[in-house]
Amino acid sequence: GQNIDQPTEMTATEGAIVQINCTYQTSGFNGLFWYQQHAGEAPTFLSYNVLDGLEEKGRFSSFLSRSKGYSYLLLKELQMKDSASYLCAVVLGRLYFGRGTQLTVWP
Amino acid sequence: DSGVTQTPKHLITATGQRVTLRCSPRSGDLSVYWYQQSLDQGLQFLIQYYNGEERAKGNILERFSAQQFPDLHSELNLSSLELGDSALYFCASSVGGDTYEQYFGPGTRLTVT
Repeated sequence: GQNIDQPTEMTATEGAIVQINCTYQTSGFNGLFWYQQHAGEAPTFLSYNVLDGLEEKGRFSSFLSRSKGYSYLLLKELQMKDSASYLCAVVLGRLYFGRGTQLTVWP
Repeated sequence: DSGVTQTPKHLITATGQRVTLRCSPRSGDLSVYWYQQSLDQGLQFLIQYYNGEERAKGNILERFSAQQFPDLHSELNLSSLELGDSALYFCASSVGGDTYEQYFGPGTRLTVT
């Protein structure tokens, strides 16, 4: 819902860098979350952006452009354990989740 | 461990039956959210309670209902179950009514046969 778009699947190799994009409608926007979810487990919080720019947190960084309705999650030095679904969630009055991007990291 | 607990972990039941899922939020959190996650639908918001009162409603069917008790734990009741209700049901909690950083419980996997 709320036109949150992210790629369905991505693959990458260990040690590489991957960028997962998310686009959303801008009307009423009030912040964006990224969550990581391993299969059959609960989503876990990764980052929260409300202002434009890049937020860096170890190997993970998240970027937001409010005017463009665009965010990305950047994962560096990929590890096998990073294989998971990455959910973009947008605050539009309440929290709306995208369908998630299934990332597979190959050795 | 997020501090949010959910019971049971797994539930198998037949069509037409009724089940109750239980959630205890993190200590100090006043809001509880319920989500349904199925393979083809992604994470769907069902309902939010804040300090005992319904705060927001999402895609919750009329066959489903929820409540939050004075001790802040919450229950999600699912009745007249259908095969399509088979899904993972997550509970999440947050500090305030408008605080969006949510911490998720481990989920209840419901299978309707």
